[in-house]
Amino acid sequence: EDQVTQSPEALRLQEGESSSLNCSYTVSGLRGLFWYRQDPGKGPEFLFTLYSAGEEKEKERLKATLTKKESFLHITAPKPEDSATYLCAVQAKVSGGYNKLIFGAGTRLAVHP
Amino acid sequence: GAGVSQSPSNKVTEKGKDVELRCDPISGHTALYWYRQRLGQGLEFLIYFQGNSAPDKSGLPSDRFSAERTGESVSTLTIQRTQQEDSAVYLCASSPDRDNYEQYFGPGTRLTVT
Repeated sequence: EDQVTQSPEALRLQEGESSSLNCSYTVSGLRGLFWYRQDPGKGPEFLFTLYSAGEEKEKERLKATLTKKESFLHITAPKPEDSATYLCAVQAKVSGGYNKLIFGAGTRLAVHP
Repeated sequence: GAGVSQSPSNKVTEKGKDVELRCDPISGHTALYWYRQRLGQGLEFLIYFQGNSAPDKSGLPSDRFSAERTGESVSTLTIQRTQQEDSAVYLCASSPDRDNYEQYFGPGTRLTVT
């Protein structure tokens, strides 16, 4: 069964304290791995897509990496405005070729000044 | 440009009533998705529309749930005879086509069944 597991469930950081969020997945026929940011009361906001092991993407203080079994979202010198829930999702090939995302439960990040 | 919009933003209904949720995708996006997000949990896929193809309904939790889409525009998600366990945020997303994997989400409708 296709599955996505994110850890930790919650993470508290001091401003400037770098860390990493983990997304482990088991999926047959990975077509892409996605990172989203979700602020309270809002829909998820797209951050990155990774397609193959070894790929890396960067955006401001965030860098996403991908291996054959997991992805990491590295946060360098975080600021309070980086506080949000970070969601990981994988896109697997399903019958009929439909693009269905399978989401993890997310990591709630709180960055304190 | 305009993003995905959803209405209403909040809906409180009594158990047993029917509700209808609306999604306006980004103009030109052929793919449209509905997800459910229970408190503190990840997103649960419900249904997927791609152009004029038959929708993928594999995620609908029961026959009380149904969705329609007119062409490549507005979609409505209907929940009949609502139950308390239907309380959740219902999110809609769209993407340019079936081969573009990036999905753009609306703000969601928070449904509370009392």
